Amino acid sequence: QSALTQPRSVSGSPGQSVTISCTGTSSDVGGYNYVSWYQHHPGKAPKLMISDVSKRPSGVPDRFSGSKSGNTASLTISGLQTEDEADYYCCSYAGPDVVFGGGTKLTVL
Amino acid sequence: QVQLVQSGTEVKKPGASVKVSCKASGYSVTSYYIHWVRQAPGQGLEWMGIINPSGGSTRSIQKFQGRVTITRDMSTSTVYMELSSLRSEDTAVYYCAKGDPIDYGLDVWGQGTTVTVSS
Repeated sequence: QSALTQPRSVSGSPGQSVTISCTGTSSDVGGYNYVSWYQHHPGKAPKLMISDVSKRPSGVPDRFSGSKSGNTASLTISGLQTEDEADYYCCSYAGPDVVFGGGTKLTVL
Repeated sequence: QVQLVQSGTEVKKPGASVKVSCKASGYSVTSYYIHWVRQAPGQGLEWMGIINPSGGSTRSIQKFQGRVTITRDMSTSTVYMELSSLRSEDTAVYYCAKGDPIDYGLDVWGQGTTVTVSS
């Protein structure tokens, strides 16, 4: 199972919006609505930001939203804040396994 | 509160084995899967495998088949991941994570265990 494809880096200024894409295949992203997104600050454990393509766990700001079209899922962060600077990983069920994306480094300028 | 607490840092020689533990508390352990994910230095997250604590069934990706063993001890609500025939490329931070059995979202993570493989 190959890793899902994410851009290596994205950037934005405080208050702006950014979108991170995650491209897979019909065997993972396109085949199931089980895409999740994780925020990872260096030295800390990853944090679940989105599950089930677009569901936000309790406590995650509504600035974070997820969507999917075909084999590509997307994470949009609106109203960027400095604390959003982190690595972001998409993840998909790929029956019966699970596969992560390569990760995207978000820089808040 | 719901938490996963992992065992401490390990330093191993090539060819040895390492066994990392993950103790769950604050929720019904039999109702959620436990996943193992690792991150090598400078690399991304890599899913390794999964266990259903209820029945004990496991699965690991082909890359690790034959080298990784995931087990559980329900008497202590602890899951174990053992990786054998260690090589330098196995140097990484290893995480356990609680997974929803339906949507596979990993909503609670352990603090991570650093495993260093060096001669």
